[in-house]
Formats: sequence, structure tokens, C-alpha cells
Amino acid sequence: GAVVSQHPSWVICKSGTSVKIECRSLDFQATTMFWYRQFPKQSLMLMATSNEGSKATYEQGVEKDKFLINHASLTLSTLTVTSAHPEDSSFYICSAERERLYTQYFGPGTRLTVL
Amino acid sequence: TQLLEQSPQFLSIQEGENLTVYCNSSSVFSSLQWYRQEPGEGPVLLVTVVTGGEVKKLKRLTFQFGDARKDSSLHITAAQPGDTGLYLCAKNRDDKIIFGKGTRLHILP
Repeated sequence: GAVVSQHPSWVICKSGTSVKIECRSLDFQATTMFWYRQFPKQSLMLMATSNEGSKATYEQGVEKDKFLINHASLTLSTLTVTSAHPEDSSFYICSAERERLYTQYFGPGTRLTVL
Repeated sequence: TQLLEQSPQFLSIQEGENLTVYCNSSSVFSSLQWYRQEPGEGPVLLVTVVTGGEVKKLKRLTFQFGDARKDSSLHITAAQPGDTGLYLCAKNRDDKIIFGKGTRLHILP
């Protein structure tokens, strides 16, 4: 099966610091990866689409300068939350698209807590 | 604008009972996926339905896609505590997957 990993699984940081989250497709290549954010007891909200070798596409209302996305290889995308604030505390989930357009494989998520 | 409406939002039932949750949209789906998500984990794909009227079964779970491809249902027979979780339907829009708000299901032992 297709496996997607995220690192770290959880992180606690101080307000004002930056945090990098990695998303890796372990056994397949992903030209497209997606980043989602999920607040407690809510659904997943798409933040951005990460394309290998090109700039990410951000959803309306998501600040591209705050959530930096880099998709440097076919197996790795990173999300950096810059100058994190308590309201950025959330569950961040990535997915990687494989083969068919409507098949995405999700990572286990990263719990970010900003103090 | 919420493209996908899921109902009910919450459901708590006793072990052994049957239940159905729904996913509706005002627009036609090209395809629809159902996911289950447990606390602290990413969503796991249960099924993808593509054809109007399609029915797929996954053990005690039965998924149905409406004839007009605007709605879908998930029926669970003889629910078990292990079925507890957030059930999400999702559709493709502009090369992206958009999720409904989900139905939070809790099965009481």
C-alpha cells in the first residue's frame, strides 16, 4: 500500500518561533501533495496544494508568507509555520496524490501547540 | 460555502444497533469518497464511488451513491465500539479534495 509519513508527530513551540513539518511519501512518487488544517471537532480544511518543482497554490484566506511550502522532491514536501502564534495551534495533515486524480493518501498528522 | 452537507453531525448509539449517515450536495459528483478518522490520526479512505446508483460493501459497511450522483449514504450494520470515529465524505473539485464537516459517531459498549 501507499504510505505517507509526517514528522514530527507533535510539536510544542513558543509564540514567535517557526516550525517545520515534513511530509514524505515512502513508497511512491508524488508530484502533488496537499496540506490541510483541522481544528478540534472540525473537518479538514485545505490550506494549499504543493507541486513538485513549482510554487504552491494557496486557498483563499491562507497567508502564503506565513505558511511556507516547499516541494523539493517527488517524495518530500515541507510546511513551515513562520512566527507561530497560539491561534496557529492545530492538527496539520498532509496527503500525497498517487496515480489517479482522485486517489490521495493521508499522513498521520502533526499536532502543533503554540504556547 | 459548504459544498458537502453531512448529517447527522453527531450520533451516539448502542453497540449492535444499525445506523445510516448521509452526504448531500447541490451539485453532481464526478466521484465521492468516504473516510474514517480516529482521534489524533489522519483520515483513512474507506471507499470511492463513481457510478450513479452504485452500492459497495465493506464488511458491515454499505455505501450507496445516489442515482443522480448528488448524494451518498453510509449504512453500518450491528455497530461495534471499533466503529467509533469521524466519518467524512469528500468530493473532487478543481483537482482538489474537499471534505464535508463529517459525522462524529460514538458507539457505546
